[in-house]
Amino acid sequence: EAQVTQNPRYLITVTGKKLTVTCSQNMNHEYMSWYRQDPGLGLRQIYYSMNVEVTDKGDVPEGYKVSRKEKRNFPLILESPSPNQTSLYFCASSLRGGISVYGYTFGSGTRLTVV
Amino acid sequence: DQQVKQNSPSLSVQEGRISILNCDYTNSMFDYFLWYKKYPAEGPTFLISISSIKDKNEDGRFTVFLNKSAKHLSLHIVPSQPGDSAVYFCAASVAGNQFYFGTGTSLTVIP
Repeated sequence: EAQVTQNPRYLITVTGKKLTVTCSQNMNHEYMSWYRQDPGLGLRQIYYSMNVEVTDKGDVPEGYKVSRKEKRNFPLILESPSPNQTSLYFCASSLRGGISVYGYTFGSGTRLTVV
Repeated sequence: DQQVKQNSPSLSVQEGRISILNCDYTNSMFDYFLWYKKYPAEGPTFLISISSIKDKNEDGRFTVFLNKSAKHLSLHIVPSQPGDSAVYFCAASVAGNQFYFGTGTSLTVIP
């Protein structure tokens, strides 16, 4: 089944403890992206990647890192999480970036709580 | 500052009637727009897109209209079905890489 898989689905952690949220897609998509969803703010893009080894900042990249060493994986790294990073996170992928007719597939989300 | 705005947090429509969801944007450089649907506890689902060279795009019951001069787009769902009840997000982009989302409109279709 074609899908975007995020792990974990739920995570509670403490301030300052490094964590990684994994994202993997099995559709050979070039474009991948991370978003966070917060009440009243909608979805905001954190980082995106047009292809392997190509990453760019989105709207709210502060406090996050990403890497794209393989086409299928796009992990989100929080080096020193803070309570304001408590949010619902989504990973998404698409066959191509840019203006295209291709749709975007989202993962089911990761609910992160930083205490 | 929110570059993409959905000013109606919620909308209720009778089954079989038309649902119209609206979205306004401020950046005249945006040239690619998308609509997503989101059910609780699930990721968003891509619905339909439109580039700025068009003013209308249809896919089955879903039609998106783009009015560049007014910086406004709308999603029409005809006929509305109870399964369409969800939160709808519009998103805008320059060149389709970095995306800006609205805050969403919760649609309820009443049987």
